[in-house]
Amino acid sequence: SQQGEEDPQALSIQEGENATMNCSYKTSINNLQWYRQNSGRGLVHLILIRSNEREKHSGRLRVTLDTSKKSSSLLITASRAADTASYFCATDPFNNAGNMLTFGGGTRLMVKP
Amino acid sequence: GAGVSQSPSNKVTEKGKDVELRCDPISGHTALYWYRQSLGQGLEFLIYFQGNSAPDKSGLPSDRFSAERTGGSVSTLTIQRTQQEDSAVYLCASTPSPRGNTEAFFGQGTRLTVV
Repeated sequence: SQQGEEDPQALSIQEGENATMNCSYKTSINNLQWYRQNSGRGLVHLILIRSNEREKHSGRLRVTLDTSKKSSSLLITASRAADTASYFCATDPFNNAGNMLTFGGGTRLMVKP
Repeated sequence: GAGVSQSPSNKVTEKGKDVELRCDPISGHTALYWYRQSLGQGLEFLIYFQGNSAPDKSGLPSDRFSAERTGGSVSTLTIQRTQQEDSAVYLCASTPSPRGNTEAFFGQGTRLTVV
């Protein structure tokens, strides 16, 4: 089963608007990462937030982490058509014998020009 | 190379045939991961390598799936007697350390279609 679940599954907005995607997970984590995927191919890393951090910024991206609620959000401000992609959260579970990142189902974002 | 390289980028095969998918990770990355992604879905973990060893094979869906890694570098994922449900994009990723606390670098994937 997937550790992370993104919400919403799909999001359509106009260029210039902000886009917010949420991720919920089940077990304690060391860190949480967000990735972007264009056209069903390779994923590109966006940002990593550690379990002792609450907020992190990178350009137009803002990520928050609430470990008490086991949730994270990704905010893209002033969206552009080029932001159209699928966005995935990935967790590094605390008891990670397998040492792998566990991905959610993703949010498909469409930004209309 | 500069990034993770996967080949072939696309593969169409007949049901029942065997296929081999190749992943060439970033030089020096000790950890290598295989994931599978069905259309419109998330990433399903298949197998993880630390060096040439695979401490976690729990994600392999059946005994038709196997993988190896040689020289701490190139990895091959083999699917025997392919079935239509094996159709998916197979993604490989590598990280410089075995822990999940660093960015994972992904290849562009192999799109496998079983007809």
